[in-house]
Amino acid sequence: SAVISQKPSRDICQRGTSLTIQCQVDSQVTMMFWYRQQPGQSLTLIATANQGSEATYESGFVIDKFPISRPNLTFSTLTVSNMSPEDSSIYLCSVEGVKNIQYFGAGTRLSVL
Amino acid sequence: DAKTTQPNSMESNEEEPVHLPCNHSTISGTDYIHWYRQLPSQGPEYVIHGLTSNVNNRMASLAIAEDRKSSTLILHRATLRDAAVYYCILRDAYNNNDMRFGAGTRLTVKP
Repeated sequence: SAVISQKPSRDICQRGTSLTIQCQVDSQVTMMFWYRQQPGQSLTLIATANQGSEATYESGFVIDKFPISRPNLTFSTLTVSNMSPEDSSIYLCSVEGVKNIQYFGAGTRLSVL
Repeated sequence: DAKTTQPNSMESNEEEPVHLPCNHSTISGTDYIHWYRQLPSQGPEYVIHGLTSNVNNRMASLAIAEDRKSSTLILHRATLRDAAVYYCILRDAYNNNDMRFGAGTRLTVKP
């Protein structure tokens, strides 16, 4: 298994500002993923972040809005840029472990005023 | 990824078995059936997965239909801590770069 730590666990931000979410894993992993979960909804994949290459974004998500860094095999960040109230969601990172099992962080609860 | 269909919600009594169904009529031969659950205020956690044969682990059992077009997650004795949203997800064995979450089934466990 993998233990994932996300920071911050929650934040309240003003519109127009940016927030960077950190995801730290206790072991080296190749694939990391970022998801968004809007209030009362299921999870939606934002992007896949592999070390040494640019993140791959899903339809509806762009790098200018959600820049991602993946500097090494245990760490990644997701930035939510120029925030609006519509960005209020839970943001989760996950990693791929053995047997294609994914392990998730507890999430970052973001509220934008 | 192929789609799955699950009931929106189910109820169970504590210490009784729970059978959570999932339909996946367009499943391909290389799709694994994964189940995850999301407890309140937590990220999803892995429950079980399988390809063709039924699977058992300490958390649950997975019963897969012979034609693989449906599966059932079985919690043998539900506890209050099993109250969660359960997601049935198909993942291609050769193109498994991501997981597509459907709406899932919200399980309520009554004492």
